[in-house]
Amino acid sequence: AQKVTQAQTEISVVEKEDVTLDCVYETRDTTYYLFWYKQPPSGELVFLIRRNSFDEQNEISGRYSWNFQKSTSSFNFTITASQVVDSAVYFCALLAWDSNYQLIWGAGTKLIIKP
Amino acid sequence: SAVISQKPSRDICQRGTSLTIQCQVDSQVTMMFWYRQQPGQSLTLIATANQGSEATYESGFVIDKFPISRPNLTFSTLTVSNMSPEDSSIYLCSVGEYEQYFGPGTRLTVT
Repeated sequence: AQKVTQAQTEISVVEKEDVTLDCVYETRDTTYYLFWYKQPPSGELVFLIRRNSFDEQNEISGRYSWNFQKSTSSFNFTITASQVVDSAVYFCALLAWDSNYQLIWGAGTKLIIKP
Repeated sequence: SAVISQKPSRDICQRGTSLTIQCQVDSQVTMMFWYRQQPGQSLTLIATANQGSEATYESGFVIDKFPISRPNLTFSTLTVSNMSPEDSSIYLCSVGEYEQYFGPGTRLTVT
């Protein structure tokens, strides 16, 4: 069975601190995709990144970086020098062929950045 | 990425009534997805809508309660029928083969 676990329900940090959001996944497939989405208070879901199971290179985009480790089945997301605008709920998701082509969503982590 | 619009953006409805939510995409897509997001929760897939065929519903969702239409490759509707307060949620449509792109959502409150 496929599963995505975001153990951190809520994280609160002060602006400019670095923060890491954890994501642990389960799948028996060898081919799968992992995603991160951001949902700000406005409610719209924003796609951030896709990573496939054959590419374990870490990704950096500005202040955002992602660490994919198959050995620990983790796909963690780090925000460097956090800003108030980063306050949102962040979702990790998994797409695997044995999930009937459905995105399996984590519960989400609410990130609060205090000024 | 596709640009997706939804109508209405929000509505307050009385129990027992029905609401139809529209989803419009700016390009032709094969699959469209409908999700429900209850307050403070993650997303739950309601159904997958392919043009020209019946929608495929997930466990816990039935066609009588959530009928879906998909008349062409850029448009779909989801109806929430015989509403109860438990149907108060955000309803989202999405498209995408791998990563999915979402509409802005419809915030439904049932009183």
